[in-house]
Amino acid sequence: GENVEQHPSTLSVQEGDSAVIKCTYSDSASNYFPWYKQELGKGPQLIIDIRSNVGEKKDQRIAVTLNKTAKHFSLHITETQPEDSAVYFCAASKYGNNRPAFGKGNQVVVIP
Amino acid sequence: DTEVTQTPKHLVMGMTNKKSLKCEQHMGHRAMYWYKQKAKKPPELMFVYSYEKLSINESVPSRFSPECPNSSLLNLHLHALQPEDSALYLCASSQLTSGAEQFFGPGTRLTVL
Repeated sequence: GENVEQHPSTLSVQEGDSAVIKCTYSDSASNYFPWYKQELGKGPQLIIDIRSNVGEKKDQRIAVTLNKTAKHFSLHITETQPEDSAVYFCAASKYGNNRPAFGKGNQVVVIP
Repeated sequence: DTEVTQTPKHLVMGMTNKKSLKCEQHMGHRAMYWYKQKAKKPPELMFVYSYEKLSINESVPSRFSPECPNSSLLNLHLHALQPEDSALYLCASSQLTSGAEQFFGPGTRLTVL
């Protein structure tokens, strides 16, 4: 089955700086890659996703890039703010497959 | 309405108790999921319902029993749980055509004494 690895496990950034989280996947058939943000005491919230027919997607301060050849995708957060502090999970699945494979998560801490 | 709601928020139960977790969504999604999440770990898939029928059971012990009474509701019945079952139980839903674009509820924090 699909295996997703996520790096680094923790990331501390100064407020205003950028944060980048990288994930690699193993199954070349995977074609849907969501990113979830989980704040303390809450469920994961989908923040951005990308499908395999595009290489980059942006939504305000958040962007995701996908390199299908290398089988990795990355989350970019610019101008970080304290409210960006959370655990971020990447995932990979085949479109229409109800069993996404999650990365282990990344704790992002934004230092004011 | 773009929310998935779950009740209760917190639950403490003994190993001999029977309890139920409830989940509801009104987004017209036809796939609903139960996940278990331990601290500092990603969600682990337990069950998937598609069109109110159980489509995936990830070899979950029988002390967890899911039920989907209709397209908006999902229950998880708990009986004779073990302390290691203490975790955050998450419900999610999605449109079947998009599969992994899942919307999660806030979870039920379960403690088994």
